[in-house]
Amino acid sequence: AQSVTQLDSQVPVFEEAPVELRCNYSSSVSVYLFWYVQYPNQGLQLLLKYLSGSTLVKGINGFEAEFNKSQTSFHLRKPSVHISDTAEYFCAVMISNDYKLSFGAGTTVTVRA
Amino acid sequence: SAVISQKPSRDICQRGTSLTIQCQVDSQVTMMFWYRQQPGQSLTLIATANQGSEATYESGFVIDKFPISRPNLTFSTLTVSNMSPEDSSIYLCSAYWTGENIQYFGAGTRLSVL
Repeated sequence: AQSVTQLDSQVPVFEEAPVELRCNYSSSVSVYLFWYVQYPNQGLQLLLKYLSGSTLVKGINGFEAEFNKSQTSFHLRKPSVHISDTAEYFCAVMISNDYKLSFGAGTTVTVRA
Repeated sequence: SAVISQKPSRDICQRGTSLTIQCQVDSQVTMMFWYRQQPGQSLTLIATANQGSEATYESGFVIDKFPISRPNLTFSTLTVSNMSPEDSSIYLCSAYWTGENIQYFGAGTRLSVL
């Protein structure tokens, strides 16, 4: 079975500062990796995904993530955050051909002016 | 991408009653999923709903409590039966896009049980 660990439950950050959200996973088989964002009182929106190929993936709203197979990590980064980035961020894994998502516990990002 | 509509967006229910949540997808999809997000927590998969077959439930979830219908390739319902305050959660449906290997989510149904 696969599992996902998000290493930070809460990340306060000042506007225009960089942010990194850490995600580690464990799986005995190859996986697909995802980051979703949940804005207050909304559903989940896909930020980016890693399926194969280049280990650096770019997503929406200026976010990017790097897949590191040796460290089984998929950390999310943004060089300069905005107030509107305040949200809950979820890392998720999907076993190839299984289609189900397993989610991490989530990281709450609060951006302050 | 996909547009997934959930109804109702929120509801307040009395214990012992049942609520049916609807999920409509704007394209035909083979696989749909139902998740529960308890207050302040992450998402937990309840079941997988494939058209033409019985839903497949995850450990800890049973059909009598969470019956699911999947009558066609664009629609599914989840019923939360005989509700108790412990069922107060956000319930989200998702659809799997085969060509993109992505699940798209609805906005969720925020359920409070009194």
